[in-house]
Amino acid sequence: QQQVKQSPQSLIVQKGGISIINCAYENTAFDYFPWYQQFPGKGPALLIAIRPDVSEKKEGRFTISFNKSAKQFSLHIMDSQPGDSATYFCAASIHGTSYGKLTFGQGTILTVHP
Amino acid sequence: GAVVSQHPSRVICKSGTSVKIECRSLDFQATTMFWYRQFPKQSLMLMATSNEGSKATYEQGVEKDKFLINHASLTLSTLTVTSAHPEDSSFYICSAKPGQNYNSPLHFGNGTRLTVT
Repeated sequence: QQQVKQSPQSLIVQKGGISIINCAYENTAFDYFPWYQQFPGKGPALLIAIRPDVSEKKEGRFTISFNKSAKQFSLHIMDSQPGDSATYFCAASIHGTSYGKLTFGQGTILTVHP
Repeated sequence: GAVVSQHPSRVICKSGTSVKIECRSLDFQATTMFWYRQFPKQSLMLMATSNEGSKATYEQGVEKDKFLINHASLTLSTLTVTSAHPEDSSFYICSAKPGQNYNSPLHFGNGTRLTVT
């Protein structure tokens, strides 16, 4: 019940295209859903996060769509660039009780071809 | 923004020795820090929650005598891998959250690549 399932495992997109990564969760107590970007040999960096009281959040080229009833959320990267090539992780946590203790998805390796 | 510094970034040690990894919050106080482990091309697995001034809370399956955590101040947590073996070789990443604010995000260090020979 603590799992967060992420797909696809890998994604190849042409420059300028839209990258879409999906995540699904089971635990309805989760109330915080961040996305992290990780480059090889580096720690994850927070990209964007959403709470279940909104269905969409946009920051620049990055948008999170959230479907509470389906227990799914997705990351859309518009106008994908070669510099976006990295591993992306969705995550979830229960803020009130576990204070930032994140459960991560399996990760998606994104490759953006020039 | 909030910065979490981890040291060393890479370490190679011989089997049977112990290695200490430091995690510092540079511009904020963190009463709680988290230690993760990541194998190549895999996700981050939470090992333990480090609480300032008290004992760490370990996740199921993580040996607390193997992975010693000390959180002696509001800006420093250390992870010591004791009697390291080749199977302990991994990427260890710490994270910390500024304050108790509901909206403050979790920040990660740049990780420590441990290789046990």
